[in-house]
Amino acid sequence: AAGVIQSPRHLIKEKRETATLKCYPIPRHDTVYWYQQGPGQDPQFLISFYEKMQSDKGSIPDRFSAQQFSDYHSELNMSSLELGDSALYFCASSSTSWETQYFGPGTRLLVL
Amino acid sequence: AQSVTQLDSQVPVFEEAPVELRCNYSSSVSVYLFWYVQYPNQGLQLLLKYLSGSTLVKGINGFEAEFNKSQTSFHLRKPSVHISDTAEYFCAVTPRANAGGTSYGKLTFGQGTILTVHP
Repeated sequence: AAGVIQSPRHLIKEKRETATLKCYPIPRHDTVYWYQQGPGQDPQFLISFYEKMQSDKGSIPDRFSAQQFSDYHSELNMSSLELGDSALYFCASSSTSWETQYFGPGTRLLVL
Repeated sequence: AQSVTQLDSQVPVFEEAPVELRCNYSSSVSVYLFWYVQYPNQGLQLLLKYLSGSTLVKGINGFEAEFNKSQTSFHLRKPSVHISDTAEYFCAVTPRANAGGTSYGKLTFGQGTILTVHP
């Protein structure tokens, strides 16, 4: 069965640079969620989209922005990167009933 | 708002022994409950979920969990573990569809329990 696809899988950036993470949900899933998992921590909710509109917002820094496109894929844009942004970024998708989220493999971001 | 507490940060156990990973939650509204597993350097895989109905739910890889509303708990169990079960396990909740509020779908995770199975 098709799963959530995230790209890139690994990313290394310098401080103050910009990064763009992409997420392709499971086909026919219309809701996308982004989570950030710091080293040794539990995943923290950042933001979600339903039918291309932002549906909920968590502890996402103002330096980050995201959107969902007409084909339902989503991009997380991160600017002015800081060392503390180094983390594993997960995307998850669900169908309209949104009761169950399926996670992608994650993008591991390292900021030097 | 919801919060999840996993009572054990690490659980070492010998192969073929039973195991229980404990999870308690707090919420002002009704919730759905989930257990996810994360193998080293991998993503989160859904183990099982409680939406409604029977309070004992069975998941993949021989795991099961029991929802106890009065104790607000959702403990995960396996009668006999294997080396391959070594991983980190996360308990998570999300508000029910008709529970009100605006946090539909957002998962709140516990701090994780690292299960290490020794030969």
